[in-house]
Amino acid sequence: GQQVMQIPQYQHVQEGEDFTTYCNSSTTLSNIQWYKQRPGGHPVFLIQLVKSGEVKKQKRLTFQFGEAKKNSSLHITATQTTDVGTYFCAGSLNTDKLIFGTGTRLQVFP
Amino acid sequence: DGGITQSPKYLFRKEGQNVTLSCEQNLNHDAMYWYRQDPGQGLRLIYYSQIVNDFQKGDIAEGYSVSREKKESFPLTVTSAQKNPTAFYLCASSRLLAFTDTQYFGPGTRLTVL
Repeated sequence: GQQVMQIPQYQHVQEGEDFTTYCNSSTTLSNIQWYKQRPGGHPVFLIQLVKSGEVKKQKRLTFQFGEAKKNSSLHITATQTTDVGTYFCAGSLNTDKLIFGTGTRLQVFP
Repeated sequence: DGGITQSPKYLFRKEGQNVTLSCEQNLNHDAMYWYRQDPGQGLRLIYYSQIVNDFQKGDIAEGYSVSREKKESFPLTVTSAQKNPTAFYLCASSRLLAFTDTQYFGPGTRLTVL
C-alpha cells in the first residue's frame, strides 16, 4: 500500500542551526501538506504544495515538492526554541486518503 | 470562536468497556475525520464522513464505530473489540471531502485502558 516515510525520526539542534526533514512516498502524489504538532498539542496545518518542483517560503521555513512528486522537504533556517515540535508531511493521491508521514521530532536547545 | 472541540481531554477505561469520544465543530465543514496517534508515530485514519448519515472506514476501523447524525458532530465509540485502544485520538474536519483540503484538528483525547 501507499506509504509516506520521513527522515530523520528525531533531530536535536542548537538554537540558530538549520534543520531539514525529508518526506518520501512510494507512489506519485497529487499534493503534499505539512503540519506541525507542538508537544502535547494537535497538528496544525502549515502549507500545501501541488505543482512539481514547487517551492514555497514562510519566513524561515522553506518547503519543496520534488520534480517527480514523490518527495518533499521542509527546511528551517536559524532555528528558534519556538520551532520545537513534530513536523508531519501528508500526501494524497487525487482524492484518495491523506497519508501522514511518520513525523520528525525537532528539539532545539537554547 | 470557530473551531473543533473534543471531550474529554483524558479518558480512562477498564478493559471490556465501550467508550465514546466526542467531537464537535462549528466551522460548517462537510467532512469530518477520526485519527489515531500512537507514541512516536504518524496519524492513522479510523473513519471519515463526507456528509450527515454517511461515513466510510479508514485504514484501521476494526473495533471502532461512528455516527454522523448532525453536521456538527462526529462521535467515535471505541468498543471492547479494539485490542489495543490506548492512544491519542484526534478528530479533524475539512470544508469538503477532498484530501487536498486543509484539515483542522481538535485538541485530542488521550485514552488509557487500565
